[in-house]
Amino acid sequence: DAGITQSPRHKVTETGTPVTLRCHQTENHRYMYWYRQDPGHGLRLIHYSYGVKDTDKGEVSDGYSVSRSKTEDFLLTLESATSSQTSVYFCAISESGTGRMNYGYTFGSGTRLTVV
Amino acid sequence: AQKVTQAQTEISVVEKEDVTLDCVYETRDTTYYLFWYKQPPSGELVFLIRRNSFDEQNEISGRYSWNFQKSTSSFNFTITASQVVDSAVYFCALSEAEETSGSRLTFGEGTQLTVNP
Repeated sequence: DAGITQSPRHKVTETGTPVTLRCHQTENHRYMYWYRQDPGHGLRLIHYSYGVKDTDKGEVSDGYSVSRSKTEDFLLTLESATSSQTSVYFCAISESGTGRMNYGYTFGSGTRLTVV
Repeated sequence: AQKVTQAQTEISVVEKEDVTLDCVYETRDTTYYLFWYKQPPSGELVFLIRRNSFDEQNEISGRYSWNFQKSTSSFNFTITASQVVDSAVYFCALSEAEETSGSRLTFGEGTQLTVNP
């Protein structure tokens, strides 16, 4: 029933290389988010988008950039990957910015990124 | 800034015991939304419940119940007669009320629940 897919699901990359993660939705939702999950920290917001070409920073945005050229795709780029960016990355979508509609926020299955 | 605290990092119970997961939040908004998500070992995030700040009625769904108390800024989650399949990480989360470009979901650190047979 996906509605939201993340690719790749797993990736191992070397320090210093650029990496792009993709989030694709078929729900036509306005809002899209990138979170990272680390032990002891829960999920923390990296960047989010409130429309095509409209993005803003979250609480842990350093070292990351995003782009949203069309409604269905939200890309997260690590310009030069570091070991501290080893994490599980989740994309989420929402019809409303507050999650007040339907089931609130729908999450992708996650991307496990390892930087060696 | 909004904040969610789940003080219980790990809880271990024996099957059929009742267990309560605590969630305390901070926000300056008068209107906000609270969520609980479950993350089983497979890793996906499963929506459990959403509550808005004006609805303080407790909710029960099968073995799950939620106690929302604005006076103590808490939104606790109780599983009655726990089962092994309830073993997961549970997250409490808070979102702002305004439909602005800056709205986002803030998570607690999560509570790892292990239900032993």
